[in-house]
Amino acid sequence: AQSVTQPDIHITVSEGASLELRCNYSYGATPYLFWYVQSPGQGLQLLLKYFSGDTLVQGIKGFEAEFKRSQSSFNLRKPSVHWSDAAEYFCAVVASGGGADGLTFGKGTHLIIQP
Amino acid sequence: NAGVTQTPKFQVLKTGQSMTLQCAQDMNHNSMYWYRQDPGMGLRLIYYSASEGTTDKGEVPNGYNVSRLNKREFSLRLESAAPSQTSVYFCASSEEVGNTIYFGEGSWLTVV
Repeated sequence: AQSVTQPDIHITVSEGASLELRCNYSYGATPYLFWYVQSPGQGLQLLLKYFSGDTLVQGIKGFEAEFKRSQSSFNLRKPSVHWSDAAEYFCAVVASGGGADGLTFGKGTHLIIQP
Repeated sequence: NAGVTQTPKFQVLKTGQSMTLQCAQDMNHNSMYWYRQDPGMGLRLIYYSASEGTTDKGEVPNGYNVSRLNKREFSLRLESAAPSQTSVYFCASSEEVGNTIYFGEGSWLTVV
């Protein structure tokens, strides 16, 4: 079974600064990778996904992520954060073959934006 | 533009009571899921239904039952609620298992 590690439980960034949220996965084959964002009291919204092809993927709200097979990573980046980006961010991996083992989320990173 | 709709949004139960969380999706998705979210634990899969007529256990199925009523609806039942089931529950759906998952807005359940 695969796993997802988000090493940072909390991250604090100043408004306007750049952001990188880390995600490492453990899976034998090429997984499908996702980043979701959750605002307080809300459900999860898909930011971006990687299935195949170009390893740099663009998402909504100015976010991007890069799949690095050699590092088993799928880090999320944004060049300049806004106060509205404060939220919980989840990395997720899905096995391309499906199954319950394919539906795995990291424990999340809580992003705090300083004025 | 409804997507995934789940009810109720908030519920307080006494230990030992039963209840059913309802979920419906209007995206004609084949696969549906129930997750629970607890502080510091992320999201954990309770049950999923890969297609109409099938259900399978996820990571944390104990204490829960599910019914895939039809292609649109997937309900989660707590037969005898326990305080450990206090959580936020999310229903979700996807076209197929392994595709992008779309979430409902959550149901906050407290068991006292």
